[in-house]
Amino acid sequence: DAKTTQPPSMDCAEGRAANLPCNHSTISGNEYVYWYRQIHSQGPQYIIHGLKNNETNEMASLIITEDRKSSTLILPHATLRDTAVYYCIVRVAPFYGKLTFGQGTILTVHP
Amino acid sequence: DVKVTQSSRYLVKRTGEKVFLECVQDMDHENMFWYRQDPGLGLRLIYFSYDVKMKEKGDIPEGYSVSREKKERFSLILESASTNQTSMYLCASSFSLLRTGVAKNIQYFGAGTRLSVL
Repeated sequence: DAKTTQPPSMDCAEGRAANLPCNHSTISGNEYVYWYRQIHSQGPQYIIHGLKNNETNEMASLIITEDRKSSTLILPHATLRDTAVYYCIVRVAPFYGKLTFGQGTILTVHP
Repeated sequence: DVKVTQSSRYLVKRTGEKVFLECVQDMDHENMFWYRQDPGLGLRLIYFSYDVKMKEKGDIPEGYSVSREKKERFSLILESASTNQTSMYLCASSFSLLRTGVAKNIQYFGAGTRLSVL
């Protein structure tokens, strides 16, 4: 699996867009980018994933650069409930067996 | 919405007790997983199951066993609880590849059970 690098922490004002970057410079052609988040003391929650095209769902947007070496998760209007640890994972799809999280980015949304 | 339900959010047990952690999913998923999560160690896979009565060891199966008698239910058993099994336990489930194809193989998690063994 390709290694990912995320900033350890970020802040965002409530109502503003939160842009969370992820570097995955060693990604290979058949690897997908997945994003999960974990709110304190809860289980991880799937957010979005993509291969090379930008993706959008009801929770977020995923922007993947043309060379696929980095991506950005966008929460368009962050709320206090979006405060969580966000994990960027690069894996060959499908997942066979375990899901492995790195250190992630602690996003704090403040009023 | 996918629902993965773990029977308890918090559990306190004594050393040597037999502990059952239950997980139920309502999405007809074939695959189910048990992880534990510890600070600094991340998420570690204990066991997973890809079908009823089938089980596979993960990275840290020692001291644990599992049971999958019905498709929707996956139980984790601590045969004789020890203090080093104090942890957050997370259950997850997903469709099999035959049903989702390559790209949509998403694992969905329960809220977790925080187990303390005293």
